[in-house]
Amino acid sequence: SQTIHQWPATLVQPVGSPLSLECTVEGTSNPNLYWYRQAAGRGLQLLFYSVGIGQISSEVPQNLSASRPQDRQFILSSKKLLLSDSGFYLCAWRASGANVLTFGAGSRLTVL
Amino acid sequence: QKEVEQDPGPLSVPEGAIVSLNCTYSNSAFQYFMWYRQYSRKGPELLMYTYSSGNKEDGRFTAQVDKSSKYISLFIRDSQPSDSATYLCAMRVNNFNKFYFGSGTKLNVKP
Repeated sequence: SQTIHQWPATLVQPVGSPLSLECTVEGTSNPNLYWYRQAAGRGLQLLFYSVGIGQISSEVPQNLSASRPQDRQFILSSKKLLLSDSGFYLCAWRASGANVLTFGAGSRLTVL
Repeated sequence: QKEVEQDPGPLSVPEGAIVSLNCTYSNSAFQYFMWYRQYSRKGPELLMYTYSSGNKEDGRFTAQVDKSSKYISLFIRDSQPSDSATYLCAMRVNNFNKFYFGSGTKLNVKP
């Protein structure tokens, strides 16, 4: 069966520090991968999605970036965090051609 | 105008009540409709999935899609305290990679 792993689960970072969140999917190949951010009491904001290695689509211009160095690995990064980057970051995947997303457990980021 | 509109609630009901959760949308091209349940500080989990119009039932949960009105609903029968969560609707256009989410409705079922 397929599983999605996301880490770290929680992190507190100072303003201006770098960020790296990692997501991996097991039990499938060539998944579509997604990064969402959920601010407190808000809906899901799509940040990036990827349909293959090295293929990244950006939805919102900001100081975040994403990379997909391997088929089942998706990384969210920032060189310098802002206070506004605080939130709950969710990785999700779907099989190519599938019509639903499966989410990871999320990473809660607090920028101080 | 947002692609998907959802009342944020909170919605508070007594245990055993029938709950109705709703979303409206503006894009008539949406064909795939989903409901996710999200417990506090957890990732959303898929609850129901429907294609195009019609009803789908799974235990205490019923999902309805009315494409003519651009309106989808989730009904929960015999609601339980364990149903207390935020419910997110989501939808997608065929052959497109993006999923559009509502902002979520927070439900509280009181014992």
